[in-house]
Amino acid sequence: GQQVMQIPQYQHVQEGEDFTTYCNSSTTLSNIQWYKQRPGGHPVFLIQLVKSGEVKKQKRLTFQFGEAKKNSSLHITATQTTDVGTYFCAGDQTGANNLFFGTGTRLTVIP
Amino acid sequence: NAGVTQTPKFRILKIGQSMTLQCTQDMNHNYMYWYRQDPGMGLKLIYYSVGAGITDKGEVPNGYNVSRSTTEDFPLRLELAAPSQTSVYFCASSYSWATSNQPQHFGDGTRLSIL
Repeated sequence: GQQVMQIPQYQHVQEGEDFTTYCNSSTTLSNIQWYKQRPGGHPVFLIQLVKSGEVKKQKRLTFQFGEAKKNSSLHITATQTTDVGTYFCAGDQTGANNLFFGTGTRLTVIP
Repeated sequence: NAGVTQTPKFRILKIGQSMTLQCTQDMNHNYMYWYRQDPGMGLKLIYYSVGAGITDKGEVPNGYNVSRSTTEDFPLRLELAAPSQTSVYFCASSYSWATSNQPQHFGDGTRLSIL
């Protein structure tokens, strides 16, 4: 079955350092979504990528969809304490009805 | 704006008991979903619905049942609760399937413990 893996599982950074999480799928995805979940909270939608090689930016966050549409990345420049949380990618295979969430990357920012 | 509302927020069940987790949305979304999230893990899809009267199994449906009699409500039923069902349950909704560029809106979750 389809699997969506994320690395790393945990990341601790000093405030101001950059952070990147990688998402890899065992199958080609029709699109990929990214969500952020604060500790004790619920996932909140950040962005969706649809096109091969697509790059989107939201302030300090840069999202990229791989050329083969099997991987994606989220890069945060100059992390802040407000970036703390778990970042999930979620993708679905073309023609499938399931949205598979990645295992998540838990980000800790040390002030 | 209420969005997606889940009740209860917390619940403790004994093994073998049953209960219904309630989920309602006021955004007129046609798609609704139930996920479970085990500690430190990602989200696994239990069941989903593409509209009133239509439901389908997700990745981990065993031990659960759903119904969708109205657009607004999508309750999740646990029959014969087992310790393996201890988890946080999230309900979500969206206008249409993910391929149509619509995000999923999540409720605050129900924290369920089976003892």
